Formats: sequence, C-alpha cells, structure tokens
Amino acid sequence: LAKTTQPISMDSYEGQEVNITCSHNNIATNDYITWYQQFPSQGPRFIIQGYKTKVTNEVASLFIPADRKSSTLSLPRVSLSDTAVYYCLVGDGGGTASKLTFGTGTRLQVTL
Amino acid sequence: NAGVTQTPKFQVLKTGQSMTLQCAQDMNHEYMSWYRQDPGMGLRLIHYSVGAGITDQGEVPNGYNVSRSTTEDFPLRLLSAAPSQTSVYFCASSYSFQGSYEQYFGPGTRLTVT
Repeated sequence: LAKTTQPISMDSYEGQEVNITCSHNNIATNDYITWYQQFPSQGPRFIIQGYKTKVTNEVASLFIPADRKSSTLSLPRVSLSDTAVYYCLVGDGGGTASKLTFGTGTRLQVTL
Repeated sequence: NAGVTQTPKFQVLKTGQSMTLQCAQDMNHEYMSWYRQDPGMGLRLIHYSVGAGITDQGEVPNGYNVSRSTTEDFPLRLLSAAPSQTSVYFCASSYSFQGSYEQYFGPGTRLTVT
C-alpha cells in the first residue's frame, strides 16, 4: 500500500499561511493525491485533489513536484476555524479497486 | 441529496452481541467504504466495495462482515462485539474512476462495547 508521512502537529497564528507537506515515496503512476480536513466528532471533508504541478480552489492550493514523491497543502491566511486534523491520501495503485489508506494526519492548531 | 447517512448515531453493546451499522448514499456512487477511528488516531479501512455485489477487505477486517446488494446501501455487521471494537465508525462513498477519489463521509456511529 502506498504510505504517507506527515508532521504530527503544527501551530500557526491567525492570518498566516500554513504549508503542510506530505511524503509519499511509493506513489503509483495513476494515483491522485487527495487532502481531507477533519473537525472533532465529524467525518473527514474533502479539501483538494491533484495529480501534478499545482491545483488551486477557493479553500487551498496543492503543490506537487515533478517526481510526485511529496505534496504540499497550502492554506492561505488561516483562521481559528481552520484548527483541525489534515490528512494526505494516495491510492495504492489499483485503479478503481484501490484501497485508500489514511495516515495519522497533521493536527493544526491556529491561535490568535 | 441527503449525501451519506449512517444509523444509529450512538450504540452501546455488550461483549458478544452482534449488530449492523447502516450506511446509505443517494449520489449513485460506485465506491463505498467503512473506516474505524479510535480516539486520537487516524482512520483505518475495514472493508470496501467497488460496486453492487463486490466487496473486499481493508486493513482491519477481522470481526466485521459487509455486503453490497444495492448501489445505495453498504451495511457493516459486527459478528460478536468485543471491547476492542469500541470506536467511531465512518462510512464513505465516492465516484470510482482511475486513481481519483473524492470521498463523501457520513456523520459517524459512535460504538461502545462493554
């Protein structure tokens, strides 16, 4: 199974940009990289997904280098409500039958 | 659309009891899965299904059964509950195409086994 490695926790002040990097050395050719956000007592929520280079939506940006062995989730100007756990996900290369594995995630704490 | 719904929201079982956690989605998604999340931990995949009639095991399948008779429903059955199965259970669904998985999660079922 493709495995991901993320920092366990990060701290930030409100208004700053936060970058969370995920390592996925064994990513398969057809795998996408997907990031989720989870608040306490809730199910994860999809944030952004990409295959290569850069993807941006209204919530975040995702930077993926050419070798695709890592990716960086960028949250611009975080607020207190961005305090959550962030998960990086890649498939195991099986296409439609892939098993999706969540890592331990990165706990982001935003303070004033 | 209701999205992904799970019932019950909370459940307390005694060791050895069996029960079924229900999951349904109204988005016509092919891919459905069950995860468990222990306190302070990430999610671990229990079972998944790529379509009606097709299921497969995830990381931690022991003690659980699943079936997928329709596209909409994916129930998870605990065969003989054990305290180690105390956890929050999440069901998820997504469109299923090569390599890309935007999953939608249900609100979870909080299970306590005494």
